[in-house]
Amino acid sequence: DQQVKQNSPSLSVQEGRISILNCDYTNSMFDYFLWYKKYPAEGPTFLISISSIKDKNEDGRFTVFLNKSAKHLSLHIVPSQPGDSAVYFCAASDRDDKIIFGKGTRLHILP
Amino acid sequence: GAGVSQSPSNKVTEKGKDVELRCDPISGHTALYWYRQRLGQGLEFLIYFQGNSAPDKSGLPSDRFSAERTGESVSTLTIQRTQQEDSAVYLCASSLTGGVSEQFFGPGTRLTVL
Repeated sequence: DQQVKQNSPSLSVQEGRISILNCDYTNSMFDYFLWYKKYPAEGPTFLISISSIKDKNEDGRFTVFLNKSAKHLSLHIVPSQPGDSAVYFCAASDRDDKIIFGKGTRLHILP
Repeated sequence: GAGVSQSPSNKVTEKGKDVELRCDPISGHTALYWYRQRLGQGLEFLIYFQGNSAPDKSGLPSDRFSAERTGESVSTLTIQRTQQEDSAVYLCASSLTGGVSEQFFGPGTRLTVL
């Protein structure tokens, strides 16, 4: 039973436009959420996080939105750039030291 | 500074053989994690170390899997009597204190069991 779901395996976005990656979770005890980015043949790298006490966190071109009532979070990238093409993993934690990852969404930025 | 390193980068083995995967975390990081990613799947948590102790082994898929950490540094993940379903990329990550502190990942070891 997947606790963190990324229902879109892939997404294509025109360069310069906004990329929106979505993530749903089922465990209401999750209180910290993270996004990781992964290039081929490399390990994931941390991108941005949000605590459950917030509904938005922004870092440059990246913004994460959290809707606790819907158990949904999204990552917005604007403007999208070619280097953003990668697999994006949503992850969640419930104060335990275990972080649960989604299956990932492959983002293609089109020239 | 040096990041997390893993060896080997690729391992091809025959079904039934044992394999050892190594992880060298960032120096000073007390927490170390092992994950695996099977084709088309997300990152699956396997085991977590705080220092040399493993408080959470709940993700290990079977008793063929074991891991140890020594000197609060290097960790070895051992898979005995490998099966084809063990084929995956095995990722190691370390973080400074554990909890939700940022995890830094190694490049992974791609294991193929024939």
